[in-house]
Amino acid sequence: DAGVIQSPRHEVTEMGQEVTLRCKPISGHDYLFWYRQTMMRGLELLIYFNNNVPIDDSGMPEDRFSAKMPNASFSTLKIQPSEPRDSAVYFCASSWTSGRFHEQYFGPGTRLTVT
Amino acid sequence: LAKTTQPISMDSYEGQEVNITCSHNNIATNDYITWYQQFPSQGPRFIIQGYKTKVTNEVASLFIPADRKSSTLSLPRVSLSDTAVYYCLVGGDNQGGKLIFGQGTELSVKP
Repeated sequence: DAGVIQSPRHEVTEMGQEVTLRCKPISGHDYLFWYRQTMMRGLELLIYFNNNVPIDDSGMPEDRFSAKMPNASFSTLKIQPSEPRDSAVYFCASSWTSGRFHEQYFGPGTRLTVT
Repeated sequence: LAKTTQPISMDSYEGQEVNITCSHNNIATNDYITWYQQFPSQGPRFIIQGYKTKVTNEVASLFIPADRKSSTLSLPRVSLSDTAVYYCLVGGDNQGGKLIFGQGTELSVKP
């Protein structure tokens, strides 16, 4: 298996622009997670899905952030409009359901820079 | 979710055994203890998970005392490539996989 795939790996955009981050989870995994990592705040869980359904989005910072999972093999995290404080590394992770959901597999991350 | 406390940093030398202890005084009955490793510019990587007593895999051992209020990750004979941040997490089935990452322990292995 190729592991969790994220694109793009790097994104530089100007404040106010829309940003879309993409994730392909490992085939067969039931859970998908979006995290954000910064030096100041560490690794934060933004939202997670189970069988394509959003379960907990309490970590989403504000309405500018939205996430979708239209099918089992694809998810997007969108920021509109983007702001400089959104600059961070965004990770996608996936896992199984049956007692192994704490064993999450992370993608390589997308480094977002908003100028 | 139980709060975890672990040292911010540790130093070691190649070939030594490293033990990183994490305290989780408010651990719940159905909580598991999980450890992750993160290298710079990479996503965290699952190392090991346990509920009680001792768990061992090909890279590490996890020791959990009877009261489960702490746990110790043991890395045998570390090498330079083990330099990374190590996270201790506690969570249970009823969180549906939700994990809260703390500050982690930055391990530096010197030659």
